[in-house]
Order: sequence, then structure tokens, then C-alpha cells
Amino acid sequence: DIVMNQSPDSLAVSLGERATINCKSSQSVLYSSNNKNYLAWYQQKPGQPPKLLIYWASTRESGVPDRFSGSGSGTDFTLTISSLQAEDVAVYYCQQYYSTPYSFGQGTKLEIK
Amino acid sequence: EVQLVESGGGLVQPGGSLRLSCAASGFTLSSYWMHWVRQAPGKGLVWVSRINSDGSSTSYADPVKGRFTISRDNAKNTLYLQMNSLRAEDTAVYYCARDCSTSCWVDYWGQGTLVTVSS
Repeated sequence: DIVMNQSPDSLAVSLGERATINCKSSQSVLYSSNNKNYLAWYQQKPGQPPKLLIYWASTRESGVPDRFSGSGSGTDFTLTISSLQAEDVAVYYCQQYYSTPYSFGQGTKLEIK
Repeated sequence: EVQLVESGGGLVQPGGSLRLSCAASGFTLSSYWMHWVRQAPGKGLVWVSRINSDGSSTSYADPVKGRFTISRDNAKNTLYLQMNSLRAEDTAVYYCARDCSTSCWVDYWGQGTLVTVSS
């Protein structure tokens, strides 16, 4: 089974500043036949279901603000929020869909400093 | 508009059973793989199970294997999760979730239904 580990567990960033969340998988989620990383990022606000932000590690879902970006390949990935807005306060999860069980990271709680 | 509406949650004693349902609308259920994901109170997301488009292939997380059964009725636009031999650690909000197509990311989530296992 692939284990996903996020860092940090929590993060406080000032409004307008950059927020960076890391995700590391215990084995590569890069599928060699199509050169795609099977990695997604989700945002979950209190009392709400998760919302898809990024898939294929770096493709932004339609309607997601461009301040959100994903990068990385193989086993190391990053979600970056370029300029933090108040509405970005949430818990962020990475998930691999390379193989079952489709594991999530433990989550990173993002707050305003 | 894609909608996923879960039902069937509630309070059940340890060892008991529940069947969750997820009514899908706004898309053709038979074209999509589907998942169940759970979240214990104050905890993170945990993938539980997935089923392919016609129900011929399923997969489960180890903690629920042999106790939970995922199924679907495409004619009724409904996804199910039969949960048997429930344990306290199964207490969670259970989300129905749509796969983007066939074994990829989750693009839509339901609002979830709370299952509480307690005596």
C-alpha cells in the first residue's frame, strides 16, 4: 500500500503571503506509460465535503483560482497558494490514485497568521 | 448539476448493520466509477471502497474488507454501502464520491451521512 505523508500538519500564513504544503508518497505515483503523476489535491472547509483543486499533480480543476498551483513528480509534491486569501482557510489533503487503496495524506490545516 | 445525496446513517450498536445509499443525479451514473470515503470526527479522510461502472469490480480498504460491501443499481441511479459487524472505529461521516471517470481522482462529493457505532 502507498502511504502519503504531508508536511507540515498545520501552517499559519499572513494574508497575501505564499503558503506551501508538501506531500510525499512512499512509492512513486508516476505511471511511466503516460508520464502522468496520479496525485490530486483537495480543500476541505469546516462542515463541508472536500473540493477538488488539482489533479495529475499540476492540472487545476475548472473554476479553481490560479493562485493555487501544484508541482512535483514521482514521490514529492507541493501545493502552493501564491497569495493567501481569507477564504483559503481550510484543511488540504493530497491523495494518490495510482493504486488501491487510494490513500490520502493526513491533512494540513492552513490558518491566517 | 451533479448531485450526490447520501442517506441511511444513524446510531447503531457494535456488531450491528447499516446500509448507506447515495442517490445520484445530474449525470449518467453508469458511466462512472464511484467511491465511498469516510472521515471520523475531527480526523482526516480515509478511502473506504470503490466500484467500477457496471459493478463487476470492487476494491476495499483493509479495515473494512469482509465486513463492507459496495454495490450499485445504475437503473435506480443509486450507490450502496452495506456495512456489517460494525465497530466503534467505524464511526464517521461517510461520503459518496464520483470518480472522474475510471479509476482517477474524485471530482464530486456528497454532503455525507454520519454513522455512529455505540452502545
